[in-house]
Amino acid sequence: AQSVTQLGSHVSVSEGALVLLRCNYSSSVPPYLFWYVQYPNQGLQLLLKYTTGATLVKGINGFEAEFKKSETSFHLTKPSAHMSDAAEYFCAVSYSGAGSYQLTFGKGTKLSVIP
Amino acid sequence: NAGVTQTPKFQVLKTGQSMTLQCAQDMNHEYMSWYRQDPGMGLRLIHYSVGAGITDQGEVPNGYNVSRSTTEDFPLRLLSAAPSQTSVYFCASSYSIRVNTDTQYFGPGTRLTVL
Repeated sequence: AQSVTQLGSHVSVSEGALVLLRCNYSSSVPPYLFWYVQYPNQGLQLLLKYTTGATLVKGINGFEAEFKKSETSFHLTKPSAHMSDAAEYFCAVSYSGAGSYQLTFGKGTKLSVIP
Repeated sequence: NAGVTQTPKFQVLKTGQSMTLQCAQDMNHEYMSWYRQDPGMGLRLIHYSVGAGITDQGEVPNGYNVSRSTTEDFPLRLLSAAPSQTSVYFCASSYSIRVNTDTQYFGPGTRLTVL
């Protein structure tokens, strides 16, 4: 069964510091990986996704993530945190083939940005 | 386009009551789904639909029913509400059934409390 593990339910960074949110996946077949962001009292919106091709994926708002098959990871980074980045971030995985109509989410990491 | 809309935004039920959470999208999306979000649990898939007249169970379907009579609407029914169903419910849709590559568009959520 596919799953994702997000390390750290809560991460705090100073404004201007590097943001690193960790995601590891478990899948016996090639995964399709996503990062979604949820601002307070809102639904989720897509930040970026990896399907095939280039392993470094750039998303919205300056975020990027790198698919590392050898480490089964898809960590999310941003060079310089902004106050507006404070939100909850979810990693998600899907795959092709039987059961590919489902997206499996991690438990989320809440990012706080300290002024 | 209004995108994905959900009604109501808030609801309080007593144990044993029934109700329907409404979800509609005006983007002619083929795929629709329902998730519940609980603290520290991330999002868990309840039911999904790959087209009008076609539905299937997700990870946590017990206590919920769905139907999809039109492309636009995907209501979620709670037959006999229980306190364990207290949660925030999100509806999502995507253009195609290729969940592994398509972006999911989320509604704003319904916050349900069962007393």
